[in-house]
Amino acid sequence: AQSVTQPDIHITVSEGASLELRCNYSYGATPYLFWYVQSPGQGLQLLLKYFSGDTLVQGIKGFEAEFKRSQSSFNLRKPSVHWSDAAEYFCAVVWANSGYSTLTFGKGTMLLVSP
Amino acid sequence: DTGVSQNPRHKITKRGQNVTFRCDPISEHNRLYWYRQTLGQGPEFLTYFQNEAQLEKSRLLSDRFSAERPKGSFSTLEIQRTEQGDSAMYLCASSLSGHQETQYFGPGTRLLVL
Repeated sequence: AQSVTQPDIHITVSEGASLELRCNYSYGATPYLFWYVQSPGQGLQLLLKYFSGDTLVQGIKGFEAEFKRSQSSFNLRKPSVHWSDAAEYFCAVVWANSGYSTLTFGKGTMLLVSP
Repeated sequence: DTGVSQNPRHKITKRGQNVTFRCDPISEHNRLYWYRQTLGQGPEFLTYFQNEAQLEKSRLLSDRFSAERPKGSFSTLEIQRTEQGDSAMYLCASSLSGHQETQYFGPGTRLLVL
């Protein structure tokens, strides 16, 4: 079965430091890629998405992600983290063989921001 | 665009009872998805509708679960004879089908089965 891996269960970053959250997906026909963020007890908010074209995509709240087909990765980055970024981050993928419909999610990475 | 809404936000029930959740999608969206999220996990797909037609169901959706979208607008998810293992966050998402489809999520309904 196709899968999405987020290798870091939780990450702690100092406020103002840079951030990179990793996401890898199993091989499949051209995927569409998403990052969502979830605050405690809340639903998922879309941060950014990649369909095609420029492999570096910009999202909301100063986040960006880079698609690397050779590494089957779609890592999320932010140059300077704010305390309000503390939340859980989910990478999600749809593949052509699902009709680009059903999302497959990673298990998430919990981001903690220290003062 | 008022976003996806879900009701109730929280539900506590006793084992064996039936529960029903409602999802109202973004008004112009023709697709509606249900996902389940347990503690420490990412959301897992349950089922989805295009207009009123239920197009796909996950093997996670046991016979005790049923979903409807009778008029192609709001949807309900019913769980019969709830079990403690049904305790989870139930998330609804909606989208507009077609090229570069993007799903937008509601706030979820958190279910606790005692």
